[in-house]
Amino acid sequence: SQQGEEDPQALSIQEGENATMNCSYKTSINNLQWYRQNSGRGLVHLILIRSNEREKHSGRLRVTLDTSKKSSSLLITASRAADTASYFCATDVGGADGLTFGKGTHLIIQP
Amino acid sequence: DSGVTQTPKHLITATGQRVTLRCSPRSGDLSVYWYQQSLDQGLQFLIQYYNGEERAKGNILERFSAQQFPDLHSELNLSSLELGDSALYFCASSATSGISYNEQFFGPGTRLTVL
Repeated sequence: SQQGEEDPQALSIQEGENATMNCSYKTSINNLQWYRQNSGRGLVHLILIRSNEREKHSGRLRVTLDTSKKSSSLLITASRAADTASYFCATDVGGADGLTFGKGTHLIIQP
Repeated sequence: DSGVTQTPKHLITATGQRVTLRCSPRSGDLSVYWYQQSLDQGLQFLIQYYNGEERAKGNILERFSAQQFPDLHSELNLSSLELGDSALYFCASSATSGISYNEQFFGPGTRLTVL
């Protein structure tokens, strides 16, 4: 099964609202990353949070990490139509396993 | 534009055939990663090369192989293709060796259709 699981699978909100998506994982991690993918395109790195960090900001993005609950959340504030995309969390568990991606949250911003 | 290039963009072939996907990493990046994305399996890590050597291996089938050349470009070879191999194949690159996986830069992908 996937190391990272995003929740919800799909989210539709009005432009200007905030969007929150969550990621849960199973094993200890070195870091957790969030990526965005526009339909059929390559993934774009958004933010990386290390296991010893609890919160990180980048522009309209806020990421939190709770290692005791093995979960992370991505908050996008003041959403825009251009934020419509799939959002993936990816975990680095170290060793030779590479990054493990969840199945993503599909976010739709209604104008 | 991530700086990672992949060719071809689209590939249509028949079952049993063999294809080669090509990737050029961002200038200066020594690590190349290959991923397969399909509707049912999601995004699966296949393999990583660092400066010409295999560094990490994921869910890569024995029918698949990859290599990284001295100029750092990489090729993913898929043989004895099956219908289930139809997917988007992404290449990504990063500056790190993979002991800790940092930001990866993804190419636009190759869409493989096996008929």
